[in-house]
Amino acid sequence: SQTIHQWPATLVQPVGSPLSLECTVEGTSNPNLYWYRQAAGRGLQLLFYSVGIGQISSEVPQNLSASRPQDRQFILSSKKLLLSDSGFYLCAWSVKGANTEAFFGQGTRLTVV
Amino acid sequence: GNSVTQMEGPVTLSEEAFLTINCTYTATGYPSLFWYVQYPGEGLQLLLKATKADDKGSNKGFEATYRKETTSFHLEKGSVQVSDSAVYFCALARAGNNRKLIWGLGTSLAVNP
Repeated sequence: SQTIHQWPATLVQPVGSPLSLECTVEGTSNPNLYWYRQAAGRGLQLLFYSVGIGQISSEVPQNLSASRPQDRQFILSSKKLLLSDSGFYLCAWSVKGANTEAFFGQGTRLTVV
Repeated sequence: GNSVTQMEGPVTLSEEAFLTINCTYTATGYPSLFWYVQYPGEGLQLLLKATKADDKGSNKGFEATYRKETTSFHLEKGSVQVSDSAVYFCALARAGNNRKLIWGLGTSLAVNP
C-alpha cells in the first residue's frame, strides 16, 4: 500500500532562518506531488505541484521554493523565513490520470517567531 | 472558471442530530467530486468520492450524491457523533486535468455531547 511521510511535525524557526521540509511517498512511482499551506482557520492554498523529477510549477509568488530531486521526494524550502510564512504545510500525492483524488501527509506546523 | 462553494461554518450540532453540509460546484465537462475530513492538528483524509453523475459516495455513515442537474455534492449524515467534529472540505478534480484539485474553503463542524 502507498504511504506518505512528512516531517518534521512541528517546527519553530526565527525570522530570517532557512527552511527545509521534506516529504516522501512509498508504494507508488511517478506520482504527482503537491505542497499546500493552510493558514489558521482558513482553507487550502496550493503552493507548488510537480509532475516529475525536476519539474516544479509554482502557483503563487512567495518566499518559498520547491524541489523534486527524486521521483518520490518533494522538498519545500526557504532561504529566509518571514513571519507570514507561519502556517500548516501539507504534502500530498496523486496518481497520474483523470479525476484522481489526492492523499495527504500529516502536515507540518511551522511557527516563525 | 472552475470553483467549489461550501456553506460557511462553523456548524454546531448536538450528538445524534442530522448533518448537511452544502457544496456546489462550477466546472466544465465531468469532474470527479470529493469530500475530505481534517481532524484537529492532522492532515486531510479522503472521506468519500463520486466520479460521475448520480453516483453516491459513502463512508463512515456519511453520504453525498453527485447531482449534475443542480451541480451539487452535499454531505449528509443521519446521526452525528462527537468524534465527527472536524473540518470538512469539498473538492473537485477537473476532467482531463488531474494536476490540481479545486477546493472549497472548508466547513468546521462541532458536535456537542
